[in-house]
Amino acid sequence: GQQLNQSPQSMFIQEGEDVSMNCTSSSIFNTWLWYKQDPGEGPVLLIALYKAGELTSNGRLTAQFGITRKDSFLNISASIPSDVGIYFCAGQDTDKLIFGTGTRLQVFP
Amino acid sequence: DAGVTQSPTHLIKTRGQQVTLRCSPKSGHDTVSWYQQALGQGPQFIFQYYEEEERQRGNFPDRFSGHQFPNYSSELNVNALLLGDSALYLCASSPGPGQGSYEQYFGPGTRLTVT
Repeated sequence: GQQLNQSPQSMFIQEGEDVSMNCTSSSIFNTWLWYKQDPGEGPVLLIALYKAGELTSNGRLTAQFGITRKDSFLNISASIPSDVGIYFCAGQDTDKLIFGTGTRLQVFP
Repeated sequence: DAGVTQSPTHLIKTRGQQVTLRCSPKSGHDTVSWYQQALGQGPQFIFQYYEEEERQRGNFPDRFSGHQFPNYSSELNVNALLLGDSALYLCASSPGPGQGSYEQYFGPGTRLTVT
């Protein structure tokens, strides 16, 4: 099935560092969503973006809807151990979400 | 405020058998979508139900079928199970079409293992 490209595939960072990840698509989306998934659990919605160029924050998380509508970015500031997990982007295509390949984040104390 | 719930949590079936998974949407939501997540991959859309009808379907064979009940809960049925059907099955709920929100909220998933 179709998946969006996320990079990096994995990240190993030290507690307190900032994190940046991105998601790209060959198709245009009108809505971008970012989710975090812990092992064996369902994805948890972090941020939703509805407008090209939009910058939205949720605590230490900031996400941007790319101007071309084919990409999105997620930044995490001052990472903490509980930020560990897999981060997925998703683009809204009519009624369904198209998910990215995921970025696995590891945070070391 | 109850979130999305799914049952069972885990399930082990044999090839050729049939399975039914269940989902109750988040309070206030009337639309349910089902996704399959293979190990190490992102979720793949199976289908979506609204007003007890299938609105859209992903690239899955007819062995995958669903149903939505008047209380908005939903079932996913898979017939003639194959080893490749082993995955985490996720249910997501959202407000109905036209309500201005495309945010889908996921349940904890059902881990299906086919042996």
